[in-house]
Amino acid sequence: GAVVSQHPSRVICKSGTSVKIECRSLDFQATTMFWYRQFPKQSLMLMATSNEGSKATYEQGVEKDKFLINHASLTLSTLTVTSAHPEDSSFYICSASALPGVQAYEQYFGPGTRLTVT
Amino acid sequence: SQQGEEDPQALSIQEGENATMNCSYKTSINNLQWYRQNSGRGLVHLILIRSNEREKHSGRLRVTLDTSKKSSSLLITASRAADTASYFCATDASGGSNYKLTFGKGTLLTVNP
Repeated sequence: GAVVSQHPSRVICKSGTSVKIECRSLDFQATTMFWYRQFPKQSLMLMATSNEGSKATYEQGVEKDKFLINHASLTLSTLTVTSAHPEDSSFYICSASALPGVQAYEQYFGPGTRLTVT
Repeated sequence: SQQGEEDPQALSIQEGENATMNCSYKTSINNLQWYRQNSGRGLVHLILIRSNEREKHSGRLRVTLDTSKKSSSLLITASRAADTASYFCATDASGGSNYKLTFGKGTLLTVNP
């Protein structure tokens, strides 16, 4: 149980365009979803936390107008990278938790999306 | 500040040997988790240890936690080539937004057949 999927797994886009990445919890309702970014050979950095039906909370240094997060349902969150630039090329990973608030440390991770901006 | 720093950054061993990775953190935690990541893939949850636990086992994995030293270790016994991956520790801090996971830099483990 507790499967999280991401789509697409890989995407290549031109500089200036926008890209949408989907994160779905397949067999549970995700009260909280998280978006991480990982550069090559580096660790995961939390970008934002989203709760279903409310605005996402962004980490310091993450531009909320550039990385639009929508958590419209209990099984789907989307990350849209707007006006992408080559420096946005990275591995984006989402995670989901069925538990609210302080118990949301039990997170299930998606397989990641490799974004390449040319 | 960086929470969760693993060492060594890279470890290369022969199949059958044991692998030990360490993680240090800076703030008080509720839980510490270890994850595995194969190259270019998502994270696989290995084990969670709570702040009031000192040791936990799961199959060939043994995790220890020393809250006085703010450190944890992950031991993989009788390693296999399939254990080759990056291993990350992640902590969720006590107090405040304690559901957020902060990941360490990871240890790249290579198990040679």
